[in-house]
Amino acid sequence: GQNIDQPTEMTATEGAIVQINCTYQTSGFNGLFWYQQHAGEAPTFLSYNVLDGLEEKGRFSSFLSRSKGYSYLLLKELQMKDSASYLCAVRDSNYQLIWGAGTKLIIKP
Amino acid sequence: ETGVTQTPRHLVMGMTNKKSLKCEQHLGHNAMYWYKQSAKKPLELMFVYSLEERVENNSVPSRFSPECPNSSHLFLHLHTLQPEDSALYLCASSQDLEKAEQYFGPGTRLTVT
Repeated sequence: GQNIDQPTEMTATEGAIVQINCTYQTSGFNGLFWYQQHAGEAPTFLSYNVLDGLEEKGRFSSFLSRSKGYSYLLLKELQMKDSASYLCAVRDSNYQLIWGAGTKLIIKP
Repeated sequence: ETGVTQTPRHLVMGMTNKKSLKCEQHLGHNAMYWYKQSAKKPLELMFVYSLEERVENNSVPSRFSPECPNSSHLFLHLHTLQPEDSALYLCASSQDLEKAEQYFGPGTRLTVT
């Protein structure tokens, strides 16, 4: 079966750095996505990785290792507004998105 | 503002009712999706349309019926739902099926009583 694993919840301090991990087992791979979802709102696109390595976009970076079936989302200089759920999704060989259950990130002052 | 709108935002319906959810995208995308989001569970893909044609993929109970009259609009018709169908229903669109990221609407919070 297809499976995406990510921690259920994480806590971090304002101004710090946090890394949210995602491991996957899917039938084929055509890219990995990270989305942010604030409570009661729609998911919004953060990043896309299809090749191994690090993609940096401002305070957020996303890393992919296809051989390990592993990705992480790195958030720097955390702000209170970063409190949200972070969803990992993999596009499989049929170009369907397989989603993780999301990681709820709690930022404390 | 994501360019994808959904109505209504909240819906309470009885198990014998018939209702419809509406989604509209203003992004000129070719693909549209319906997802179900339940608490602490992964997003479940329900239906996919590409260029107004339904892409057969997931088994969804027949009490959910999609309709895509044109590339900008997507409906989800609901009838004789069960309490376990209570969830957030999200619509999304993307430029195409194969490469592009998906843009989500705000969702409809459905409660079946």
